[in-house]
Amino acid sequence: GAVVSQHPSRVICKSGTSVKIECRSLDFQATTMFWYRQFPKQSLMLMATSNEGSKATYEQGVEKDKFLINHASLTLSTLTVTSAHPEDSSFYICSAGRVSNEQFFGPGTRLTVL
Amino acid sequence: QKEVEQNSGPLSVPEGAIASLNCTYSDRGSQSFFWYRQYSGKSPELIMSIYSNGDKEDGRFTAQLNKASQYVSLLIRDSQPSDSATYLCAVQESGGSNYKLTFGKGTLLTVNP
Repeated sequence: GAVVSQHPSRVICKSGTSVKIECRSLDFQATTMFWYRQFPKQSLMLMATSNEGSKATYEQGVEKDKFLINHASLTLSTLTVTSAHPEDSSFYICSAGRVSNEQFFGPGTRLTVL
Repeated sequence: QKEVEQNSGPLSVPEGAIASLNCTYSDRGSQSFFWYRQYSGKSPELIMSIYSNGDKEDGRFTAQLNKASQYVSLLIRDSQPSDSATYLCAVQESGGSNYKLTFGKGTLLTVNP
């Protein structure tokens, strides 16, 4: 149990385009999902906390208008990187929280903006 | 500012030895603690959770928690080359109901054949 999927696993796009990443909890309901970003050789950086049916809570320094988060159901959260630029190139990882307090990560999405 | 500190390493051990990974945290009210393993280019994988003082064993892994010292550790017995990865210590914030975690920067472990 506790499987989290992410799609797509890899995306390459041109500067200025928007990219949508999906995160799904496959075998449990997750009232809370998290979005992280990880640059090479650095630790995970929490971007935002996503609660089903309500607005996401963004960490300090993360632009909410650039990183749009929607958590429409107990099994799906989406992150849209709007008007992506090369500096947005990173490894984006979602996680889903279970009632046991454990957090399970999706496989990640590697975004490259040209 | 809640902090989780880990020795960045690299920690190098020979195959078959015990690897000891350490972590300290600043939030005295924290109640839940986790160890994740992250292979290069992959996302983190949960390997241990611990909530009470003392030891918790799962196969070759033993997590140890000392809340008074604000210290949590992970022991890996009979280390294998496949254990080579970055190990992340994560602490759940106190008073929260949304499972938000604070991560350390990770310790890179290399197990030499």
